[in-house]
Amino acid sequence: GQQLNQSPQSMFIQEGEDVSMNCTSSSIFNTWLWYKQDPGEGPVLLIALYKAGELTSNGRLTAQFGITRKDSFLNISASIPSDVGIYFCAGLKDDKIIFGKGTRLHILP
Amino acid sequence: KAGVTQTPRYLIKTRGQQVTLSCSPISGHRSVSWYQQTPGQGLQFLFEYFSETQRNKGNFPGRFSGRQFSNSRSEMNVSTLELGDSALYLCASRRLGGSRGDTQYFGPGTRLTVL
Repeated sequence: GQQLNQSPQSMFIQEGEDVSMNCTSSSIFNTWLWYKQDPGEGPVLLIALYKAGELTSNGRLTAQFGITRKDSFLNISASIPSDVGIYFCAGLKDDKIIFGKGTRLHILP
Repeated sequence: KAGVTQTPRYLIKTRGQQVTLSCSPISGHRSVSWYQQTPGQGLQFLFEYFSETQRNKGNFPGRFSGRQFSNSRSEMNVSTLELGDSALYLCASRRLGGSRGDTQYFGPGTRLTVL
């Protein structure tokens, strides 16, 4: 079946550093979504990408829909403590949605 | 526009009991999906309902069931609860159809604890 490989699984960074994470698949998707989840809460949609090659920003977050339609990345610039959490990617095609296993972001004091 | 709402937010049950969770989608959204999330695990897909019909189903036992009403509100039921059913249950809705209709939005979740 379709699978999404999200990496890295976890990251430990210093406050102020930039962060990069990505999702790859052997399948093609029509839409990529990026979510952030805080402990005990539901995932919140950060960025939605609808076209191959699309690059979209939301504040310090930037995400791109890979030109092959098989991958996407999310960058966070100048990380701050509230960026801590789990980031999920999701690929959509034919009304089916597949989630990555998440990247857990830790910020060292 | 109000987001996805779930009730209750927290629930404590004992083994063998059953439980019903409720989800109200974003207005105009006709698809509701349910996910189970256990500590350290990703999002495990339970099922999706659209226009009162189950259109997709994950790999969960028959103890997990759901339904959707004509107003798109959905309920999820778990019978004969087991300790392993303790999890955060997430509901998500999307409009389906039309431009960008497949974008999914999550509710805050219901934290179920089985003792």
